[in-house]
Amino acid sequence: AQSVSQHNHHVILSEAASLELGCNYSYGGTVNLFWYVQYPGQHLQLLLKYFSGDPLVKGIKGFEAEFIKSKFSFNLRKPSVQWSDTAEYFCAVGTGLYGSSNTGKLIFGQGTTLQVKP
Amino acid sequence: DTAVSQTPKYLVTQMGNDKSIKCEQNLGHDTMYWYKQDSKKFLKIMFSYNNKELIINETVPNRFSPKSPDKAHLNLHINSLELGDSAVYFCASSQVRGIGNEQFFGPGTRLTVL
Repeated sequence: AQSVSQHNHHVILSEAASLELGCNYSYGGTVNLFWYVQYPGQHLQLLLKYFSGDPLVKGIKGFEAEFIKSKFSFNLRKPSVQWSDTAEYFCAVGTGLYGSSNTGKLIFGQGTTLQVKP
Repeated sequence: DTAVSQTPKYLVTQMGNDKSIKCEQNLGHDTMYWYKQDSKKFLKIMFSYNNKELIINETVPNRFSPKSPDKAHLNLHINSLELGDSAVYFCASSQVRGIGNEQFFGPGTRLTVL
């Protein structure tokens, strides 16, 4: 069965520290990859996405992620975190091909809570 | 303007009751989804509709029944509520059915079953 695994459940960093959140998925076919963020009390928002092309994708607020197909990974990075980055981060995978058989289903990881200390 | 809206935001009810959660999107999207987020923050898809047609129905108890009166609305009705139904329910929508399309999420409905 397809699954997404986020290795870090709770990360605590000081401001200006660098961030890397791990995400691995299990699926052998074509995938699209997403990172969503959920700030306290808010809904999920898209940080960045990978469909094809350059495996290094840049998102909003200085975040980036790298797709490494051989490792089935899509890790999220930010060189210098801010207090306002405190949030829950979710990796998600969409599988399958475009077409009538595709359902648009996303499989989410269990989330990583990031706490940034001022 | 709210893109994906849900009502109510909070819902507290007794076991055995029947309740509904409503979702509306004003993005002109074709596909809408319901997700359940449990106490450990794990998000799992429940249902998806494309142009009022059910396309995803995960292994969800049949006490849960989605209804899509039009492509801008996807409501979730839950019969005979149980303690284990307590969770945050998120509605989402996307442009077309397909993996390449970003899903836009609503603010969530926190359901507490006593």
